[in-house]
Amino acid sequence: AQRVTQPEKLLSVFKGAPVELKCNYSYSGSPELFWYVQYSRQRLQLLLRHISRESIKGFTADLNKGETSFHLKKPFAQEEDSAMYYCALTYSGAGSYQLTFGKGTKLSVIP
Amino acid sequence: GAGVSQTPSNKVTEKGKYVELRCDPISGHTALYWYRQSLGQGPEFLIYFQGTGAADDSGLPNDRFFAVRPEGSVSTLKIQRTERGDSAVYLCASSSIGGALINEQFFGPGTRLTVL
Repeated sequence: AQRVTQPEKLLSVFKGAPVELKCNYSYSGSPELFWYVQYSRQRLQLLLRHISRESIKGFTADLNKGETSFHLKKPFAQEEDSAMYYCALTYSGAGSYQLTFGKGTKLSVIP
Repeated sequence: GAGVSQTPSNKVTEKGKYVELRCDPISGHTALYWYRQSLGQGPEFLIYFQGTGAADDSGLPNDRFFAVRPEGSVSTLKIQRTERGDSAVYLCASSSIGGALINEQFFGPGTRLTVL
C-alpha cells in the first residue's frame, strides 16, 4: 500500500531564511506527487504538482525516485508562507485517483 | 465561480445518533470525493463518486458509513449510530475528468463533526 511520510510536525524559520519541508513516499509504481497548503481559516488548496515542474509562490519540489522523496523548497521564506503543508500521492492504477496524504507540517515563519 | 460548499460547517451530536453531511461540488465536476481528517492527521480517503455511482468505497471504515449522489451533483455522507471516534473534519472535493493530466481536486471548507 502507498504511504506518505512527513517527518516534521512543526518547522519554524526566520523570514528570509531558506525552507525545506520534507516528504518521503512509498509506492512501487509511478506515483504522482502533490503539495497542498492550508492557510489559516482557509480551505485546502493545491500548491504544486511534480509533473508540472513549475514554481508557485517561489516554492519548488523535485521528485527524486531513487530516494522516494518530494521535498518542498523555497530559498527565502516570507511571513505569508506560514501555513499547514501536506504532501500527497496518487497513481494512475488507483482508478479513482484518490489522494493519500501525509500528516502535514506546520510552517511558522518568524518575522 | 463558486467553489465546493459543505453544510453544515459544524455539527454536534450525541453518541448513537444519525447524521447527514452535505457536499455541493463545483458545477460540471463529475468526480466527487469524501475524506476524513482526524486531529493531527492528514485527510484520509473515504469514497469516490464518478457521476451518480460510488466507483470506489474502499475507504469507508465500516457499514455505519454510507454516501449517495443520486443526481450526479450534490452528495450526502450518512453516518449511523455515531461513535465518539467519528469526531473529525469531513472534507469533500470535486474534480473534472479527462485530459492528459490527473485533474486537480478542489476542496470544500469541511464539516467539523463532534460526537459527545
